[in-house]
Amino acid sequence: GQNIDQPTEMTATEGAIVQINCTYQTSGFNGLFWYQQHAGEAPTFLSYNVLDGLEEKGRFSSFLSRSKGYSYLLLKELQMKDSASYLCAVMDSNYQLIWGAGTKLIIKP
Amino acid sequence: ETGVTQTPRHLVMGMTNKKSLKCEQHLGHNAMYWYKQSAKKPLELMFVYSLEERVENNSVPSRFSPECPNSSHLFLHLHTLQPEDSALYLCASSQDLGQGPDTQYFGPGTRLTVL
Repeated sequence: GQNIDQPTEMTATEGAIVQINCTYQTSGFNGLFWYQQHAGEAPTFLSYNVLDGLEEKGRFSSFLSRSKGYSYLLLKELQMKDSASYLCAVMDSNYQLIWGAGTKLIIKP
Repeated sequence: ETGVTQTPRHLVMGMTNKKSLKCEQHLGHNAMYWYKQSAKKPLELMFVYSLEERVENNSVPSRFSPECPNSSHLFLHLHTLQPEDSALYLCASSQDLGQGPDTQYFGPGTRLTVL
């Protein structure tokens, strides 16, 4: 079956760096997405990786290793507003998104 | 991001009620989706429409009935729901189904409670 694994919850300190991991086993691979979802709000698109390596967007970076079925989202210079759930999703061979359960990130002052 | 809107934002209904959820996208997209989001579970894809035709129905009970009258609007008609159907129902849209990195954009969701 298809499976996406990510930690349920993580805690970090304001101003620090945190890495949220995602491992996947899917039928085919057409890219990996990261979304941010604040409580009670819509998931919003953060990043897309289809080739191995690191994609950087300001304070957020996303890494992909297709051979390892592994990705991470790196958040630098954490701010209180980064407290949210982070969803990892893989697009399979049918171009359908397979979702992880999300990682709830708690930022402490 | 106000490209995808959903109404109502909150809905409480009894098991014998009939209600409808509405989604509208202002992004000029051709594909629309209904998802169910329950606490601590992955998003569950319910229905997919491409150019107003249903292309995916992931074994969803018949008490959920989708309708897509045009590429900008999507409805989810609800009747005789069960308490376990209580969840956040998210609508999303994307440019074109099955073509490359087709990023999905989400609405804020309808928080549904079935009593």
